[in-house]
Amino acid sequence: DQQVKQNSPSLSVQEGRISILNCDYTNSMFDYFLWYKKYPAEGPTFLISISSIKDKNEDGRFTVFLNKSAKHLSLHIVPSQPGDSAVYFCAAISNYQLIWGAGTKLIIKP
Amino acid sequence: ETGVTQSPTHLIKTRGQQVTLRCSSQSGHNTVSWYQQALGQGPQFIFQYYREEENGRGNFPPRFSGLQFPNYSSELNVNALELDDSALYLCASSFLQGGGTDTQYFGPGTRLTVL
Repeated sequence: DQQVKQNSPSLSVQEGRISILNCDYTNSMFDYFLWYKKYPAEGPTFLISISSIKDKNEDGRFTVFLNKSAKHLSLHIVPSQPGDSAVYFCAAISNYQLIWGAGTKLIIKP
Repeated sequence: ETGVTQSPTHLIKTRGQQVTLRCSSQSGHNTVSWYQQALGQGPQFIFQYYREEENGRGNFPPRFSGLQFPNYSSELNVNALELDDSALYLCASSFLQGGGTDTQYFGPGTRLTVL
């Protein structure tokens, strides 16, 4: 049973527009979430995180929103750039491990 | 400050063989976690090592074992390889303190193919 779900395997967005990547989780005990970005042949790169005591965290073009009641978080990228094309993973920290979603492949169209 | 490195980059083995994968932690980190990523899926937690002791384990059989050395580098050993062990193996280092772990930083991974 997947505890962290990314229901969109892929997303295509025009360069300059906003990209919104979604993630749902089932375990209400999760209290810290992270987004990672992964290029082919590379390991995941940490992007941004959010604690459950917040509902928003912003870092440059990246903003993560957390809706605890809906057990939903989203990553907003604005404006989207060609270098943002990658697979994005949502993960939750549970004790000592990361529990990952299956990823969403983001394609930025010129 | 050097990042997390892994070796080898790629590896091909046959069923029944044994394999050792290596990881060097990022400077200042004391914890190493290993993950297995099958094609099209998110990484699955194998285990974590903190101060040379196993600190937690995912749902992987005992033929997956590990070591952490005093310099915080680590090895992942897999015995009696099976075809389903073909995957990208990721190592992540972090700094563990108090009751929680800091952000995990990943190496580039080792692509293991079992024939």
